[in-house]
Amino acid sequence: DVQMTQSPSNLAASPGESVSINCKASKSISKYLAWYQQKPGKANKLLIYSGSTLQSGTPSRFSGSGSGTDFTLTIRNLEPEDFGLYYCQQHNEYPPTFGAGTKLELK
Amino acid sequence: EVQLVESGGGLVQPGRSLKLSCAASGFTFSNYGMAWVRQTPTKGLEWVASISTGGGNTYYRDSVKGRFTISRDNAKNTQYLQMDSLRSEDTATYYCARFSGPFAYWGQGTLVTVSS
Repeated sequence: DVQMTQSPSNLAASPGESVSINCKASKSISKYLAWYQQKPGKANKLLIYSGSTLQSGTPSRFSGSGSGTDFTLTIRNLEPEDFGLYYCQQHNEYPPTFGAGTKLELK
Repeated sequence: EVQLVESGGGLVQPGRSLKLSCAASGFTFSNYGMAWVRQTPTKGLEWVASISTGGGNTYYRDSVKGRFTISRDNAKNTQYLQMDSLRSEDTATYYCARFSGPFAYWGQGTLVTVSS
């Protein structure tokens, strides 16, 4: 199975700042990396797939980059609703596998 | 609006069975693959099983092969997860998801607790 390593595990920031979350695959997954947001009481939300393609409805302040084994989610000009948990997931091969998550907290 | 609503979770003893359902609305159910994903505080998010549009192709993670069965009824816009021979390590919140590689839409989950 492809192991997905996310960093950092925790991140504190203020509204208006920019942050980056990293995801590293144990082997090449080409461009096939997705990012999700998880918040209490809400369904998980797909933000980005295929490394950099924004899912319909994802604000443009979110962007994804990378290929092969190294990927980054960048959120520019943080809004209050952006705080929560973020997960990466490779969708290159079975079984689909997830990172352990990054908790983005209000500083 | 896409909606996925899971039901059927609960407390069950080890070795017993449970069947989860997921009612879909807001999209043409028969056009999309579907999946189940589970989450625990210790193991995080884990893909469990997925099924093709017509139900002819199914896939399972190794730890549930032979114990879990994913199925769907396109006439009822519903997918299912039959879980047999349950173990304590199957305790988790189970999510239904529309699946096309990435998991495009998720339900809010149903909690399954396996304990005596």
